[in-house]
Amino acid sequence: EAGVAQSPRYKIIEKRQSVAFWCNPISGHATLYWYQQILGQGPKLLIQFQNNGVVDDSQLPKDRFSAERLKGVDSTLKIQPAKLEDSAVYLCASSPIRGQGAHEQFFGPGTRLTVL
Amino acid sequence: AQSVTQLGSHVSVSEGALVLLRCNYSSSVPPYLFWYVQYPNQGLQLLLKYTSAATLVKGINGFEAEFKKSETSFHLTKPSAHMSDAAEYFCAVSKIQGAQKLVFGQGTRLTINP
Repeated sequence: EAGVAQSPRYKIIEKRQSVAFWCNPISGHATLYWYQQILGQGPKLLIQFQNNGVVDDSQLPKDRFSAERLKGVDSTLKIQPAKLEDSAVYLCASSPIRGQGAHEQFFGPGTRLTVL
Repeated sequence: AQSVTQLGSHVSVSEGALVLLRCNYSSSVPPYLFWYVQYPNQGLQLLLKYTSAATLVKGINGFEAEFKKSETSFHLTKPSAHMSDAAEYFCAVSKIQGAQKLVFGQGTRLTINP
């Protein structure tokens, strides 16, 4: 079974530029999460989708961050414009809604963003 | 609201020694609890999870954790450390209904001395 795929793995941009990250979850997983992991901290949820609907985006900085999950499969996370404090690893995770793995989240390798 | 506190941002043990990583949680509802491991430049991998069955949970790579409700703790242990255990470890809590977000602790970096 293929895992969660993310691209790019690394991205360096200057402040005020825009950037987009892509995530392809495990096939059949209805729930998709984006987490932000700042160096030295644990991951923090940015947004949670169930199919193509948003379940929780309470910690998403909506003035600069946006995310979509068209067709309930792939997802993109965008930052526009980027700030220095957005430097972090952006992790995508997915989980099934029900069944034995419903409470387990499977993580992708992450995208490391550096904002100069 | 839920939160997790991991005591000790950095733990160092000798190869073959006991590994003990501490995690305390706060939750207004019965929680599910998790330990994840992160190797450099990789995503998080699930070590073990507590989902209200047995309070002593065994995971991969010889790790186990015990859920103690009275102490609101979920400490991770391994009897004998191996060099390959060097990594960052995260404790996380979630609610029990359906697919729920994880709330993570700040992580503990484990170093193994030869």
